[in-house]
Amino acid sequence: EAGVAQSPRYKIIEKRQSVAFWCNPISGHATLYWYQQILGQGPKLLIQFQNNGVVDDSQLPKDRFSAERLKGVDSTLKIQPAKLEDSAVYLCASNRAGGSSYEQYFGPGTRLTVT
Amino acid sequence: QKEVEQNSGPLSVPEGAIASLNCTYSDRVSQSFFWYRQYSGKSPELIMSIYSNGDKEDGRFTAQLNKASQYVSLLIRDSQPSDSATYLCAVQSAGGTSYGKLTFGQGTILTVHP
Repeated sequence: EAGVAQSPRYKIIEKRQSVAFWCNPISGHATLYWYQQILGQGPKLLIQFQNNGVVDDSQLPKDRFSAERLKGVDSTLKIQPAKLEDSAVYLCASNRAGGSSYEQYFGPGTRLTVT
Repeated sequence: QKEVEQNSGPLSVPEGAIASLNCTYSDRVSQSFFWYRQYSGKSPELIMSIYSNGDKEDGRFTAQLNKASQYVSLLIRDSQPSDSATYLCAVQSAGGTSYGKLTFGQGTILTVHP
């Protein structure tokens, strides 16, 4: 079974520029999550999708961050304009949802550096 | 008070010893608890999940959960240098709009020295 795929793996941009990250979850996983992990901290949830609907985006800085999952499969997270404090690893995770399994599996992440 | 708090590190143990990692959480209705291992520069990897009070063993790893004390721990027996990593405790919300959301601790850095 293929894992969660993310691209790009690394991105360096200047502040005020825009950037987009892509995620493809494990096949059959209905729930998709985007996390932000700042160096030295645990991941923090930005947004959670159930199929193509948003379940929780309470910690998403909506003035600059946006995310979509149009067909209930892959997802895109965008930052526009980027700030220096957005430098972090952006992790995508998925789980099957429902049933007895609540385990989330993470992709390799995208390391963003804002200069 | 932090929602999920882990024992401060870094933790250093000799090869072959038992490493003990601890975590407390504030949300009493949390139902699911996880331990992730994260190597430097890599993403978190799920190593243990526990849902009911007591112990759960998987190879050299044992997770312990005490919901009354809001405490979860991870024991690593016969520690190996390859266990050197950051260990993240994660607690899952039980319901409402945050169903399935994981809240992570800050992580504990474990170093196993030969």
